Amino acid sequence: AQTVTQSQPEMSVQEAETVTLSCTYDTSESDYYLFWYKQPPSRQMILVIRQEAYKQQNATENRFSVNFQKAAKSFSLKISDSQLGDAAMYFCAYRSVDSGYALNFGKGTSLLVTP
Amino acid sequence: EAQVTQNPRYLITVTGKKLTVTCSQNMNHEYMSWYRQDPGLGLRQIYYSMNVEVTDKGDVPEGYKVSRKEKRNFPLILESPSPNQTSLYFCASSLGTGPYNEQFFGPGTRLTVL
Repeated sequence: AQTVTQSQPEMSVQEAETVTLSCTYDTSESDYYLFWYKQPPSRQMILVIRQEAYKQQNATENRFSVNFQKAAKSFSLKISDSQLGDAAMYFCAYRSVDSGYALNFGKGTSLLVTP
Repeated sequence: EAQVTQNPRYLITVTGKKLTVTCSQNMNHEYMSWYRQDPGLGLRQIYYSMNVEVTDKGDVPEGYKVSRKEKRNFPLILESPSPNQTSLYFCASSLGTGPYNEQFFGPGTRLTVL
């Protein structure tokens, strides 16, 4: 089974600064997708960004970007110009055909944004 | 509005009393899934369904049942709930089963079993 590891249980960033959340994964597959989900206090799961393993170019969505290192099996999330509304739990997730179509989640990183 | 709905949002029950958490999506999605979220463990898949009358176990299926009689509905059934099933439950759906398909999540159901 694939495993997703988020080694930072908690992170803190000042408003307007940049923060990077780490994620590593273990897989023997070549075709898969990686995702970052945000879970604010409302508990809603919100897709932030996704990356296809076959694409070398790192995905970006406004202030959110990823650093995808396929050989190292690393998928970090960078949040630029952090805002108070970015405070949430962030989950890294992996999905492939061989994962039973499930999203395999990491344990999450709690991000605190300070004024 | 395209959405996944779950009911109830909050439920407190007692050990052994059968309950059903409903899940419905209005996006004509083929794939539906149930996850549970526990502190420090992330989300883990309970069951999933690739289409009507097609269901399969996820990583933590013990103590749960599901059915998929209609495309839009995917209820989660706890026939004899126990305290270790106290958790936050999410239903999710996606258009297809390919990994590129975005999964849309419901708002969650907080279940407490006393």
